[in-house]
Amino acid sequence: DVKVTQSSRYLVKRTGEKVFLECVQDMDHENMFWYRQDPGLGLRLIYFSYDVKMKEKGDIPEGYSVSREKKERFSLILESASTNQTSMYLCASKAGGGNTEAFFGQGTRLTVV
Amino acid sequence: GEDVEQSLFLSVREGDSSVINCTYTDSSSTYLYWYKQEPGAGLQLLTYIFSNMDMKQDQRLTVLLNKKDKHLSLRIADTQTGDSAIYFCAIGGGSGYALNFGKGTSLLVTP
Repeated sequence: DVKVTQSSRYLVKRTGEKVFLECVQDMDHENMFWYRQDPGLGLRLIYFSYDVKMKEKGDIPEGYSVSREKKERFSLILESASTNQTSMYLCASKAGGGNTEAFFGQGTRLTVV
Repeated sequence: GEDVEQSLFLSVREGDSSVINCTYTDSSSTYLYWYKQEPGAGLQLLTYIFSNMDMKQDQRLTVLLNKKDKHLSLRIADTQTGDSAIYFCAIGGGSGYALNFGKGTSLLVTP
């Protein structure tokens, strides 16, 4: 089975902290994605990566950065966490170009206090 | 990203059929997906349809695609309480690598 694993299910961080959300996939997928999910807003793309060390901004990249040093791992970084970044964060991966299924992790519910 | 629109809520009685609708704007999309999210979980692919098809059936699920109107629907026959979840329409294969998701439709199935 394809597995996309997010390192934490729940996180509580303080305002101003630097936060790392980790995602690992075991299917050798080229593409990896970070979304945030908020009630009434659905999934919004933060960043994605189509290869090691490559990244592209999504729809809402402000306040976030990413790192992809190895193919299987895609990290989302909140440089200085703020309360408006309290959300559910979902990582996804998929193979090849645009026409394949995206597999999702279980999500990390981040609360910034 | 491109617009993908869904209604936010749907309530049906157990045993009835559910129809969840989706409209989109990107006519270059080649794959259209339906994902299901159960409470506290990530998204799981339910089914998908190629843009050169107009219908796909998979057990209790029927997907209809009207390319002219850019309208996609998911019909769940004999809806069960276990079908209560959020259903996301997603569009892919257009101008990028990422899937574009609708806001999700919360389906509530009552006994």
